[in-house]
Amino acid sequence: GESVGLHLPTLSVQEGDNSIINCAYSNSASDYFIWYKQESGKGPQFIIDIRSNMDKRQGQRVTVLLNKTVKHLSLQIAATQPGDSAVYFCAEGRPETNFGNEKLTFGTGTRLTIIP
Amino acid sequence: DGGITQSPKYLFRKEGQNVTLSCEQNLNHDAMYWYRQDPGQGLRLIYYSQIVNDFQKGDIAEGYSVSREKKESFPLTVTSAQKNPTAFYLCASSEGRANQPQHFGDGTRLSIL
Repeated sequence: GESVGLHLPTLSVQEGDNSIINCAYSNSASDYFIWYKQESGKGPQFIIDIRSNMDKRQGQRVTVLLNKTVKHLSLQIAATQPGDSAVYFCAEGRPETNFGNEKLTFGTGTRLTIIP
Repeated sequence: DGGITQSPKYLFRKEGQNVTLSCEQNLNHDAMYWYRQDPGQGLRLIYYSQIVNDFQKGDIAEGYSVSREKKESFPLTVTSAQKNPTAFYLCASSEGRANQPQHFGDGTRLSIL
């Protein structure tokens, strides 16, 4: 399928190495953050989330770090595999009147390529 | 398996034609959303629904319409008033509570003939 994000920042990493993908968010009122993985022609896949009262959260092979002081979010992927090649983007959520839960604002993403 | 099903995967529209994109979820989620994805841009919210029989405009609702007659279904109609409909359309759902992620379907790619 057609790639989404034709002019995305790119990151190439050797298979087995660790990857770090960064995201700067814009709104200091955002209190919930999500990382998604999107493969070509598919919908975004939830990876991991973090609330603003946390600085770090770990999942399987992934870690998300949140620095509220500089409004920065990062996703660390350990021991990258060929299947990790995809576009990764962050989303910031903030409470909004009449929205019920958080309204999400999505970044444009980073294309991660794993080199065998 | 629980999930979100979008159909069709590819759709073509003629000038002046309305088309409807299907979105069905079996996750028992209260909230459903429609986004549009264009190259080089983040997802943009078209419409959302927090509960059956209620929906709200998102940031780019002009030229689109939705309905939410059933909890599991949230179809999107792209009307002839949408002058630039070519895009990848994504449907999502969530529990509708705070700090719960949205989960996405695999999208419908709409093109103009």
